[in-house]
Amino acid sequence: EVQLLESGGGLVQPGGSLRVSCAASGFTFSHYGMSWVRQAPGKGLEWVSGISGSGARTYYADSVKGRFTISRDNSKNTLYLQMNSLRAEDTAVYYCVDSGSYWEFDYWGQGSLVTVSS
Amino acid sequence: SYVLTQPPSVSVAPGQTARITCGGNNIGSKSVHWYKQKPGQAPVLAIYYDSDRPSGIPERFSGSNSGNTATLTISRVEAGDEADYYCQVWDSSSDHVIFGGGTKLTVL
Repeated sequence: EVQLLESGGGLVQPGGSLRVSCAASGFTFSHYGMSWVRQAPGKGLEWVSGISGSGARTYYADSVKGRFTISRDNSKNTLYLQMNSLRAEDTAVYYCVDSGSYWEFDYWGQGSLVTVSS
Repeated sequence: SYVLTQPPSVSVAPGQTARITCGGNNIGSKSVHWYKQKPGQAPVLAIYYDSDRPSGIPERFSGSNSGNTATLTISRVEAGDEADYYCQVWDSSSDHVIFGGGTKLTVL
């Protein structure tokens, strides 16, 4: 059974940093691209970032480019999102998802809430 | 950047057919995926590659994609189909994943 378990969310002040993690199990992690998708309270889905199976290629939404860094440790089956220079508009539930061949998201974690507020 | 346009809401009576559209410039040339999200839950993949259904998704769910419009069709709508639905594509010109704004399906 595929499982994606996010952790590391919480309350952070504007301008601060936070790293969320996603522990994956139930599939060969290194064979799959992964992404982060977020959802602000009461709003729609927004893709944040993606990474290839090997980690060689990374992709970012314009809204986070230069502030967020996606990475993965295939030896630990773990995906990361390092978030710097956080803003109030980054407040959202952050979902870890696996990316298929055409960037379809088959499996979703339960989400990790990140709140940026003073 | 590429934009996907969905109607904010669609309403349908039980047993009828719901059609949710997703508009985009030449979207017929892209692979469209659809997600269903109930309140307080993570989204679930409902349709991928325009018209394929993951295991566990009822046959009542189908998809099509041509020209500038992709459509999610739900036949014989049930109360449990009430949810938010999102379309999504990969835009190769920008290397971005794009989501539509979402459509709230209300079962009357």
